[in-house]
Order: sequence, then structure tokens, then C-alpha cells
Amino acid sequence: KAGVTQTPRYLIKTRGQQVTLSCSPISGHRSVSWYQQTPGQGLQFLFEYFSETQRNKGNFPGRFSGRQFSNSRSEMNVSTLELGDSALYLCASSPELVNTEAFFGQGTRLTVV
Amino acid sequence: QQQVKQSPQSLIVQKGGISIINCAYENTAFDYFPWYQQFPGKGPALLIAIRPDVSEKKEGRFTISFNKSAKQFSLHIMDSQPGDSATYFCAASLSGGYQKVTFGTGTKLQVIP
Repeated sequence: KAGVTQTPRYLIKTRGQQVTLSCSPISGHRSVSWYQQTPGQGLQFLFEYFSETQRNKGNFPGRFSGRQFSNSRSEMNVSTLELGDSALYLCASSPELVNTEAFFGQGTRLTVV
Repeated sequence: QQQVKQSPQSLIVQKGGISIINCAYENTAFDYFPWYQQFPGKGPALLIAIRPDVSEKKEGRFTISFNKSAKQFSLHIMDSQPGDSATYFCAASLSGGYQKVTFGTGTKLQVIP
């Protein structure tokens, strides 16, 4: 079974630009969560999608948004990039919405210059 | 009330020794406590998890001890090996339909030969 796939692996963007990151969950998994990982803040929850609906959202500004498609693939978008958005963005998939093991992808390393 | 406090931030252990990482939580509604292991360049991977109806869970060299009254739980790595060198995250979440997981800040473990 293929794992969680995140694309691209690395990205360099300029302040003010926008970026879209993609996550393909494990086949059959319907829940997709996004996390931001930085050395100073650790792993912070961005949002979670289940059956194309956002079920939970972390404390991030509205510049961070996401969506989930009918095949469970998910995208997150960050608009008007700031230097502080530089981070590793991780996607995790789970079979269901209730607490089960979350499988993480390798992440997308975003650098904002 | 959603915080999970993790200590120490870094840990150096001799090969064969015991590594101990501690976490404390505030929200008594948390009912799922996973530990994740992350190697450089990889996403976190579930190591072991516990629910509050048990006080200890052991899987191989890894043991979670859970103290519900103190709202604390810890990871013990017995016979630590250089291959265990990684960053470890404790986490806590609520059941009831939402996968949102609150992570500790991480402990960087180095096992020296």
C-alpha cells in the first residue's frame, strides 16, 4: 500500500506570492489533516478534512486555506506569503474521523524569501 | 487548556541505557495519547499509543506509563540504541469525531555508542 504522498517536496517562494501544496492520502483513508512544523513552534495543527468537509481548524490566519476532493486528495493554499510561513508542512491521513493512527507524509519544505 | 508540555527538549543517552521523556496535559477530556518518532527528512511515524483506561503499555523496548490523576504520561525506551536517535513527540487528542491532535514540542534524543 502506498503511503501518504506530498508534492512538491521542496518549494521556494517570494514574499507576497501564494502557494498550493498537495497531499494524496493512503488509499481508502478519508480523513486528511495538515500540520505546520517549525523549530520554534513544533507541530501545529492547521485543519482537518473528512468527506470533503473541513471538520476542524487550528489557530491560523485566513491566509491558510484548504480543500478536499471527492477522491480524498487534499490541497492547502497559503496566500500573501510571509517570511514566517517558512516551515515544513505535513499532511496526515487516517481511515476514519475518530482517533486512529495518523500516517504522515514526508512533508513539503516551504521557504519564503 | 489544549497544551501538552513535553520535557526534556533534548536528551543524550548512552547505548544500552534508558531514555525517559515526559509529557503533561491539562485537558482531562483528552482520551488518546500517541507518541510519534521522527527522523530527519521524514514525517512523524506512530510509535505507540495509550488510552487512559490503562496505566502502562509496552511494545518491545518502548513503554508508555500513564498517570491519569497527575495528568502525565511518559515514554521509556529500554536498552536505547543509536538507531533510536530521533525526535520524539508526545500528543493528545479528543475522541468524539474529530482527529485534531495536540503535539508536545518534541524531544531530540541522541544515543551515543
